[in-house]
Amino acid sequence: DGGITQSPKYLFRKEGQNVTLSCEQNLNHDAMYWYRQDPGQGLRLIYYSQIVNDFQKGDIAEGYSVSREKKESFPLTVTSAQKNPTAFYLCASSRGHVWTEAFFGQGTRLTVV
Amino acid sequence: DQQVKQNSPSLSVQEGRISILNCDYTNSMFDYFLWYKKYPAEGPTFLISISSIKDKNEDGRFTVFLNKSAKHLSLHIVPSQPGDSAVYFCAARGNTGNQFYFGTGTSLTVIP
Repeated sequence: DGGITQSPKYLFRKEGQNVTLSCEQNLNHDAMYWYRQDPGQGLRLIYYSQIVNDFQKGDIAEGYSVSREKKESFPLTVTSAQKNPTAFYLCASSRGHVWTEAFFGQGTRLTVV
Repeated sequence: DQQVKQNSPSLSVQEGRISILNCDYTNSMFDYFLWYKKYPAEGPTFLISISSIKDKNEDGRFTVFLNKSAKHLSLHIVPSQPGDSAVYFCAARGNTGNQFYFGTGTSLTVIP
């Protein structure tokens, strides 16, 4: 079955540690995205990538980094510079550069203690 | 600055009745709008969309209405079912086509 897989579903890290969230898709989608969801807020865009080896900052990129070495994979690293890393992280992908809908993964709940 | 707003954080409706979820936006350049449904601890799933050249799109029990002059869209669910209980996000596409702006979501509870 085609889809987007985020792993792990729950992640705990100590403050000051970098952590990498995985996102893999087998939909042959060109574009991939990372969003963050906090209580009472909409989904906010962290980074997006329209093609391999290229990505752009979204609205809240500070403290995060990404890579897009393969079409299928778009990992997100939450660095120690991110002041409030505890959140629900969602990865999405879409068919083309001008996308009519995004397909989301199941999300990763990151808790930093 | 929130460009897409859902001013009602929650809504409760009796089973079988109509659910109306509202969404307002500020940018007149948005040209495409979507509704997503989200269950707890899961990713959002696409529900229905509408292009700015239309004012209505219907898919089964779900209808989205767009009022461009008011910069307002709404999602109607008729009849509402308990399985519709979820958080609903509206989203608007910027005119560059590669970024969507999401509202804060409305939590719908359909009471059996």
